[in-house]
Amino acid sequence: GENVEQHPSTLSVQEGDSAVIKCTYSDSASNYFPWYKQELGKGPQLIIDIRSNVGEKKDQRIAVTLNKTAKHFSLHITETQPEDSAVYFCADSGYSTLTFGKGTMLLVSP
Amino acid sequence: NAGVTQTPKFQVLKTGQSMTLQCAQDMNHNSMYWYRQDPGMGLRLIYYSASEGTTDKGEVPNGYNVSRLNKREFSLRLESAAPSQTSVYFCASSAWGQTYGYTFGSGTRLTVV
Repeated sequence: GENVEQHPSTLSVQEGDSAVIKCTYSDSASNYFPWYKQELGKGPQLIIDIRSNVGEKKDQRIAVTLNKTAKHFSLHITETQPEDSAVYFCADSGYSTLTFGKGTMLLVSP
Repeated sequence: NAGVTQTPKFQVLKTGQSMTLQCAQDMNHNSMYWYRQDPGMGLRLIYYSASEGTTDKGEVPNGYNVSRLNKREFSLRLESAAPSQTSVYFCASSAWGQTYGYTFGSGTRLTVV
């Protein structure tokens, strides 16, 4: 992907609330959209991904939705917990490598 | 499983010094990558190796060189370090290319003074 826009850059929620992070991409050829979680002092870790032939994918409290027509995809976290606090990155596949968004810092307050 | 191992974890260099960051993976992955992470800039690709024997430039290759030593190892070299290269460096690998999830190492925090 040539360009991935990620919003918001920071997100503060109360424990138990839902959090939504949105990304838009520009490359129509992109067909794979992973999300990564990066805890302080650690490397990013893949938490969920979706391919272009699927509109939604869920894994317990997290879900990802994809709208190919509008070229955007979103990460949804329900029933947030303090341990969800981290930086989240979206990415899209391009010609040869993943292109990452600039990240969203999620803060979950007890 | 160790996954992706990076060494060293921390390093301080003086301007003009050289060093090599090491990366090894034990997952039999074909593709390997080097990223740098700077505040507000996200993850930017420096170099990658789609398969053993090949390397290609990414978004920010200037000042760096790489070597795909074998299928397991992919090193990043700074020939003459500059303060602008102060960053956190991450190595990653994937089974084959960008349509598979990347596994990242824990990073090397480099400071150039």
